[in-house]
Order: sequence, then structure tokens, then C-alpha cells
Amino acid sequence: DAKTTQPNSMESNEEEPVHLPCNHSTISGTDYIHWYRQLPSQGPEYVIHGLTSNVNNRMASLAIAEDRKSSTLILHRATLRDAAVYYCILKSNTGNQFYFGTGTSLTVIP
Amino acid sequence: NAGVTQTPKFRILKIGQSMTLQCAQDMNHNYMYWYRQDPGMGLKLIYYSVGAGITDKGEVPNGYNVSRSTTEDFPLRLELAAPSQTSVYFCASSQTGTGTDGNQPQHFGDGTRLSIL
Repeated sequence: DAKTTQPNSMESNEEEPVHLPCNHSTISGTDYIHWYRQLPSQGPEYVIHGLTSNVNNRMASLAIAEDRKSSTLILHRATLRDAAVYYCILKSNTGNQFYFGTGTSLTVIP
Repeated sequence: NAGVTQTPKFRILKIGQSMTLQCAQDMNHNYMYWYRQDPGMGLKLIYYSVGAGITDKGEVPNGYNVSRSTTEDFPLRLELAAPSQTSVYFCASSQTGTGTDGNQPQHFGDGTRLSIL
């Protein structure tokens, strides 16, 4: 499975949009892009995933670059409850494993 | 539905002791996974199972054993605890792992915090 690169940490003001970037330059055609987040002292929580097109759900939006070598998780209006570590993961359609990196630690400032 | 339930939540072991970490899911998921997370790091896959009676190694399987006798349960066993196994252990499950439905999300438990002294 291909690796991803994320900034170690980011800050956002409460009630403002947050754009969390992820680079995955070695992505293959069958790799899905998954995002999970982990709140303190909890297990990871699924946020969103996509293959080629941008995706929206109740939690966030996922914007995927046309060449698929990067993606951005968008939280439309950050709240204090969104403070967490966000993981960008590539998941092959032919494999059974997720490979977690160290993720981006998001701090939300009141 | 309870989702994925892990027991115990905390445990302290002495070096050389053995124990079993329990994991149960009530979502009728075929796939189950065990991860460990060391401080400040991401999760690493220990073992996974694609269905009852079938298990396979992940990235870091040494020192652990698993079994999958039912769809619901996927216990992780440490036979001879070592300080390097001090970690937080997470169990997860998903509907399927491959094919067009192969990218279903994984559902995680709240973890077992294990210290080995």
C-alpha cells in the first residue's frame, strides 16, 4: 500500500473552515482514499472516503485532486469537538490492510 | 447495537505473564482486525481475520496469537508478555475487505491499555 504525507499539526479557530492536506504521490488506480480521526483516549472513527470524485457527508467533505496525488479533508465549521488526530490512509481494493501514518493533530482555538 | 466491545479497558501485567484481550462485535461483520498504538504513533496491524476460522498476519504479529471460532469474537493472546508490548490495543471490524464493497469503513473499539512491568 502506498504511503501518505500529512503535516504533523495544524490549528484552526472555532467556527472557521479547516482544510487538512494529504499527499499520496504513489497512489495506484485501485487505491481508495480514507480519512479517520482519533479523539483523545478513543479508537479511530471513520470520517469519509473516496476514489476519484469529491465526496460529501454529514461530517466533512473530501476534495481529490484530478491526478489523485493529493487530497484535502474539509471541515466546514470547526468545533472544539473536532480537535483530534486526523489520518489519511490509502486502501487498496485488493488488499485487507490499512496503513496508518502519524496523522495531523488538529487544535481548535476557542 | 454496541458495535465493537473490548475488554478489559486497562491491565497491568508482569513480564512473562500471559493474557487474552477480548473483542466482540454485534454487526455481523466478516472482517476483524487487531492493531497496537504506541505513544505518539499511528496504528500498526497485528493480525486480521476475513471470517470464522481464517486469520492472517499483519505488520507486527510477533509475540501474539489469534483465533476466530465465531463471527462475533476475535481474541488476541499474549503468551509471554514483554515490556515492548506495552501499548494501547484496538480491535476493529468491517463488512468486507475486498471487491467493489471492499472499502467499507472499519469500526473501532475504545481500546485496551496494557502495561507490562
